[in-house]
Amino acid sequence: RKEVEQDPGPFNVPEGATVAFNCTYSNSASQSFFWYRQDCRKEPKLLMSVYSSGNEDGRFTAQLNRASQYISLLIRDSKLSDSATYLCVASSGGSYIPTFGRGTSLIVHP
Amino acid sequence: DVKVTQSSRYLVKRTGEKVFLECVQDMDHENMFWYRQDPGLGLRLIYFSYDVKMKEKGDIPEGYSVSREKKERFSLILESASTNQTSMYLCASTKGSRGRYRSYEQYFGPGTRLTVT
Repeated sequence: RKEVEQDPGPFNVPEGATVAFNCTYSNSASQSFFWYRQDCRKEPKLLMSVYSSGNEDGRFTAQLNRASQYISLLIRDSKLSDSATYLCVASSGGSYIPTFGRGTSLIVHP
Repeated sequence: DVKVTQSSRYLVKRTGEKVFLECVQDMDHENMFWYRQDPGLGLRLIYFSYDVKMKEKGDIPEGYSVSREKKERFSLILESASTNQTSMYLCASTKGSRGRYRSYEQYFGPGTRLTVT
């Protein structure tokens, strides 16, 4: 099956830093993209959808680059509470099955 | 608020036992999924269902079966539990996207941490 690749990290950053993750997808038919956040020993929860025009929600910005087949997540002014694993997801149009990346671990320290 | 619930948060079973994991969603979603998640391996799809009584194998169906008799409920069955099935099991649901351009976000249950001894 088509893959979604992420750097597993961990990304270790101080509070207040800006951090960016990239995620590449191999299925050029992918149409829907998402970022999920997963806290330790908890279920994944939707962080944000990624639209062609990009998407911003407070300190979080997601971008899509179709030509290079990657999506990105930018976190500004990192908080301790941002420490988690961030999962990237791609789905082809109308597909039942999304493809999850293995996640990128973020640790924000004081 | 979408709610996906799973029957147990923690479960300990013995090798060879038959194990039932239940998942219920309250948002009338067409699609339901069972994953397992292991350290370093990410989420792996076991089975999914896009309609009542319909099921399809995911990436790792061996040793598992599923049942979907009602739209809101999707059960995962371990016919004869083995130690290599010790894992976190996550159920998810999503709106149907058949014939549509886009796919929809998944909503996950809290997970069942299964230990087989």
